[in-house]
Amino acid sequence: KNQVEQSPQSLIILEGKNCTLQCNYTVSPFSNLRWYKQDTGRGPVSLTIMTFSENTKSNGRYTATLDADTKQSSLHITASQLSDSASYICVVSPNDYKLSFGAGTTVTVRA
Amino acid sequence: GAVVSQHPSWVICKSGTSVKIECRSLDFQATTMFWYRQFPKQSLMLMATSNEGSKATYEQGVEKDKFLINHASLTLSTLTVTSAHPEDSSFYICSARDPPDTHPLNTEAFFGQGTRLTVV
Repeated sequence: KNQVEQSPQSLIILEGKNCTLQCNYTVSPFSNLRWYKQDTGRGPVSLTIMTFSENTKSNGRYTATLDADTKQSSLHITASQLSDSASYICVVSPNDYKLSFGAGTTVTVRA
Repeated sequence: GAVVSQHPSWVICKSGTSVKIECRSLDFQATTMFWYRQFPKQSLMLMATSNEGSKATYEQGVEKDKFLINHASLTLSTLTVTSAHPEDSSFYICSARDPPDTHPLNTEAFFGQGTRLTVV
């Protein structure tokens, strides 16, 4: 069973609208949680990284939250743009160099 | 910011041939690099950890003789898929961690652009 579960698997939103992606994890011990954006056929690009002591972190129109007690994170996209169409991957790092990847949420932004 | 360059971005090869994929850290030295494989609509799966100057560490189920990894310098790791078969067709991605300072486990992980391998 994957230790990082993301939902929804995919979603479609209209340009300009907001959306929120969810990530639940069971990875333990926990060092940090990362959100990446992966365009089709490309490698992942980092959006945010949060340690257990951080509750929220923003990167432009992307805002990530973390509740280390409930082991949940969310990524909020504000005022979506067509270029936001991509797969968003939640990645949890335990206390070593290995990363645990979620399966990703595919976001499609339509005009 | 730090950049990891992966080459080639795509390759088509015949069954039975070998293919080499390069992963370079362009502006930092990476003692450790990671190789992943990704199938459509699935997570990145770690194949192996590449250690500069020593043998790679392979994940369970990954054939080390099939996927040869060489990390001869602090800026270059290569993955060679030997005797490729159609089932080896996949998206291969490398990553490298920026050298640690005070919080080594929270350092940024930079990914290459990925290599789409198609074996025909």
